[in-house]
Amino acid sequence: QLQLQESGPGLVRPSETLSLTCGVSGDSIKDYYWAWIRQPAGKGLEWIGRAYFYGDADYNPAFNSRVTMSVDASRSQVSLELKSVTAADTAVYYCARDDRGFDSWGQGTLVTVSS
Amino acid sequence: FVLTQPHSVSESPGKTVTISCTRSSGRIDSTYVMWYQQRPGRAPTLLIFENNQRPSGVPDRFSASVDSASNSASLTISGLAPEDEADYHCQSLDGPYRIFGGGTKLTVL
Repeated sequence: QLQLQESGPGLVRPSETLSLTCGVSGDSIKDYYWAWIRQPAGKGLEWIGRAYFYGDADYNPAFNSRVTMSVDASRSQVSLELKSVTAADTAVYYCARDDRGFDSWGQGTLVTVSS
Repeated sequence: FVLTQPHSVSESPGKTVTISCTRSSGRIDSTYVMWYQQRPGRAPTLLIFENNQRPSGVPDRFSASVDSASNSASLTISGLAPEDEADYHCQSLDGPYRIFGGGTKLTVL
C-alpha cells in the first residue's frame, strides 16, 4: 500500500527557502507524477506543481520561478523548494500522487513563515 | 479558469445534498473533474475521479456528474450520515495544470 510522508522544518524565516521532502513507500516512484499541494489555515487547496522522475515538472504559474521540485529514486523521495517565502506561504503542505486524480496523500506538514 | 463552489451547504441526516462546481471559462466537459473529501484535521481523500468514477471503497451514496448546460459539475451525497460532515473540493485540469475549487463545507445537521 502506498504511503507518503512529508518532512521538513516547521518554521522558516521570511525571504528564506522552504525545503520539504516526501518519502514514498509501497510503489515505484518512477511510474507516476508526484504533486505538492498546500492549504492555508481555513482556506482551500492550492496546487503548487508536480514532478516526474524522468525530469519533467509542471508548476503553478502563480509561483513564478520561486518553486523547484524533483524526484530522487535512489532515496524514494520527492522534494519541494520554495524560495523567498513570505507570511503568505504559511500553510499545511501535502504531497500526493497524481494518477487519475490525487489518489494518495501524505498527512501534511505545517510550515509557518515567521521571524 | 476558476472553479466556483458554494462556501457551505447543510442538510439533515438521511437526506440528499448536491454540491456544485462551476467552471468560469471553457467547457466543463473538456477535461475531467475530480472530487475530494476532507474531514477536519485530516488530509483530503479522493472521492470521485474522471467526472463520475468512484475509487474502490467509496460508497455508492457518493455520485457525481457534469452538466454542459450550466458548465458545472455536481457531487451528490445521498443518505447523509454524520460522518459525511466535511469539506468537499472539486478539481479539474488545464493542460498540465491542476485547478481546485475553493471548497464547500458540508454540515450534517
